[in-house]
Amino acid sequence: DVKVTQSSRYLVKRTGEKVFLECVQDMDHENMFWYRQDPGLGLRLIYFSYDVKMKEKGDIPEGYSVSREKKERFSLILESASTNQTSMYLCASSLIGPVGVSNQPQHFGDGTRLSIL
Amino acid sequence: GESVGLHLPTLSVQEGDNSIINCAYSNSASDYFIWYKQESGKGPQFIIDIRSNMDKRQGQRVTVLLNKTVKHLSLQIAATQPGDSAVYFCAEMGDGLTFGKGTHLIIQP
Repeated sequence: DVKVTQSSRYLVKRTGEKVFLECVQDMDHENMFWYRQDPGLGLRLIYFSYDVKMKEKGDIPEGYSVSREKKERFSLILESASTNQTSMYLCASSLIGPVGVSNQPQHFGDGTRLSIL
Repeated sequence: GESVGLHLPTLSVQEGDNSIINCAYSNSASDYFIWYKQESGKGPQFIIDIRSNMDKRQGQRVTVLLNKTVKHLSLQIAATQPGDSAVYFCAEMGDGLTFGKGTHLIIQP
């Protein structure tokens, strides 16, 4: 089974802090993703990466950055945390499909519930 | 805007009955669809997928139906059990993966 592990289940930080969320997958997947999940808004894509050192903006990248130095690890960084970044953050990974576009299912971690005070 | 949605935010069924969860999508170019189950406090879990060259796919106790004519997707769960209680949402792959907001399936004893 695919295993996507997020380093923290719950995290409390203060406004203005730099926050790191870590994600590791053990299935040698090329693609990795960061989402946030909010009530009534569903899953929204923040950033994704299709290869080491590669990154692409998703739908809501503002206030975030990412790092992918190794294939199995994808980090989400809140440069200066704000209260509107309080949310559930979900990491996912997937294989690349045969035509180079991801038509494979994304597999998710159990999320990090981040509170910014 | 939202291109994938569900018809009902909450669905209540009796234990042992069959459940049908619906999803509408708007991108006729989408060619791959996934159903996820999310239990409280956990991340979304892959249930079943279907590609646009199919109209039905079966798994263990689950069946996904795809009607491309009306851009409709459904998930059928046979003999619903208490462990099926969760939020279910569909996702479509068109220009990226777009998720619906989810239906909360409640199981009545």
